[in-house]
Amino acid sequence: KQEVTQIPAALSVPEGENLVLNCSFTDSAIYNLQWFRQDPGKGLTSLLLIQSSQREQTSGRLNASLDKSSGRSTLYIAASQPGDSATYLCAVEGKSTFGDGTTLTVKP
Amino acid sequence: KAGVTQTPRYLIKTRGQQVTLSCSPISGHRSVSWYQQTPGQGLQFLFEYFSETQRNKGNFPGRFSGRQFSNSRSEMNVSTLELGDSALYLCASSPGTSGTGELFFGEGSRLTVL
Repeated sequence: KQEVTQIPAALSVPEGENLVLNCSFTDSAIYNLQWFRQDPGKGLTSLLLIQSSQREQTSGRLNASLDKSSGRSTLYIAASQPGDSATYLCAVEGKSTFGDGTTLTVKP
Repeated sequence: KAGVTQTPRYLIKTRGQQVTLSCSPISGHRSVSWYQQTPGQGLQFLFEYFSETQRNKGNFPGRFSGRQFSNSRSEMNVSTLELGDSALYLCASSPGTSGTGELFFGEGSRLTVL
């Protein structure tokens, strides 16, 4: 059974800092991995999708990497802003397995 | 292109009642999956429908059921509501099934059971 772990559970950084969020999964046989952000009381917004054949994806200040052999993905956020404050979740094995998320607070 | 639409956004029910939630996927998407999100349990998978057939099911009691119509719109129903069913119910649509496509979520339906 696939298990997904996100560390740390919470992170607080000053504005402008670069940061890395981690996602670990136990079964490397995945189709893809997707990163989301969720604002309080809202739905999930897709940030990046990495197909199993890819190693990374970039969108603006976000870069996500995937290492299937080690069962890890990282989400790199450059030059963080207060508007980046949210909970970030990763999902593997398609639809059914999500991590518990990392709650990010970026202080002005 | 319109996103995933969930209705109603908020609702309050009492124990023992039943509730039906609706989800309209992105046009052209044939897969709809449902999730329950609570502070204590996180995001938990309920079930997935593709072309009107339930493809996958999470570990929830039979009080939770769903269906998908020929236009890909989906509904989920919870019967005999319990206090613990209070949660944010999220729907996601995807072009394909088997986890190969990108997931797009709606804003959710916030259910409060009194």
